[in-house]
Order: sequence, then structure tokens, then C-alpha cells
Amino acid sequence: GAVVSQHPSRVICKSGTSVKIECRSLDFQATTMFWYRQFPKQSLMLMATSNEGSKATYEQGVEKDKFLINHASLTLSTLTVTSAHPEDSSFYICSARDSSLNTEAFFGQGTRLTVV
Amino acid sequence: QKEVEQNSGPLSVPEGAIASLNCTYSDRGSQSFFWYRQYSGKSPELIMSIYSNGDKEDGRFTAQLNKASQYVSLLIRDSQPSDSATYLCAVKDSSASKIIFGSGTRLSIRP
Repeated sequence: GAVVSQHPSRVICKSGTSVKIECRSLDFQATTMFWYRQFPKQSLMLMATSNEGSKATYEQGVEKDKFLINHASLTLSTLTVTSAHPEDSSFYICSARDSSLNTEAFFGQGTRLTVV
Repeated sequence: QKEVEQNSGPLSVPEGAIASLNCTYSDRGSQSFFWYRQYSGKSPELIMSIYSNGDKEDGRFTAQLNKASQYVSLLIRDSQPSDSATYLCAVKDSSASKIIFGSGTRLSIRP
């Protein structure tokens, strides 16, 4: 399958700081990227959908000013968690698909964020 | 609200037996269906995709789709302990680019 690379895999930050997570599609054009959050023993929760070159569409209840998403190219999307708080500690996962081919979505490795 | 429903489990199956995982979905216009496997602490990995009614086989895995019943299933033959994981059913939203996930079924293969 296609390769999606997510970085960093693990990050610890202080409360009040911002953290940027990168998601790259390595061998296909990711016209659409998705950002999920997953708390322990819970299901994936879709946070937002981003299409290359346009603003992200956020799911209900997700603060767009806190979770900044940029999808500036067909191979890179970033999620910035601004002014992080301990309750933002979670497993953040991106996935990417080529919408023009109506293919399945492939996941990055995930980022374990711990805010202390 | 479009939904994908799965039994959360845990589903316990003896090693070597067939594990059967089921999923129903509400979006009647959906055309693309996926099964992902997620190990604890890891991100999901795609194991099967299916787009037309009937069965699709890949190794020990068989996906089954019935669009009229809005039902999709995954069979795992000759279950191995390494198959123990959470299995996520996912459906492509017919009116948007997003993929909707079920909450997952925890599968445990007992030796």
C-alpha cells in the first residue's frame, strides 16, 4: 500500500506551548488528508478534513483556532496544537487519500502527544 | 448523522477457527468499504477494501458486502494469535471526501 509518514512519533511539551505535527504522503498525491485523535481504549475521532489548497473542514466541537491545519501541497499537511493543555494529550493520527482515484485512505504512524 | 456500527466485543475465538466481524452502515449511497486492523498503541493499517456486492478474498481474509442490507463483514480463516487486535470498519461518505469509521471490534485469539 501507499506510504504516509507522520512526524514526530512522540512528543512531550509544556502546557501553553504549541506543537506541530507533520503528515507526508511519500508515493502518491494526497488530495485529501484527515486528522484524527484517539484517546486510550476509544475509537478514532475525526477532527478535520483538509483538501490541498483550501481551508480545512472541522468536525463539530473541534476548535479550529486551537488545532491549526495547513495542507499547502499535495504531499504535506500539518496540524499545530496551539496553547496545549494536559487534556490535549492524546494519540493524533493523520491519514491521506487520493480523492481523484477514489482510493482508500492510508494512515501515518501516529503521534503520541503528552502535555505536562 | 451518518453512522457505522460495530459490536465492540471483545470477540474471543480459538486459534485456527474462523473469526467473523460484522458492520452495518447508514449511508445508502456509499460505494467504498474498508477494513482496518489496529494494534494497541499503533495506527490503523488497511487490510481489505471492497467496492461491489459479494465476496472478496485475500489470503486468510474475506470481505463480504451486501449493499441492499447495508452490511459488510470480514472473515478471518485459520485465526492466529497475531490476529488479536481491534478491527475497524470504515465507509466512504457518499457526499463528502471523508471516511467514516466504526468504533471497532476487539478480537482476541486464544491459543
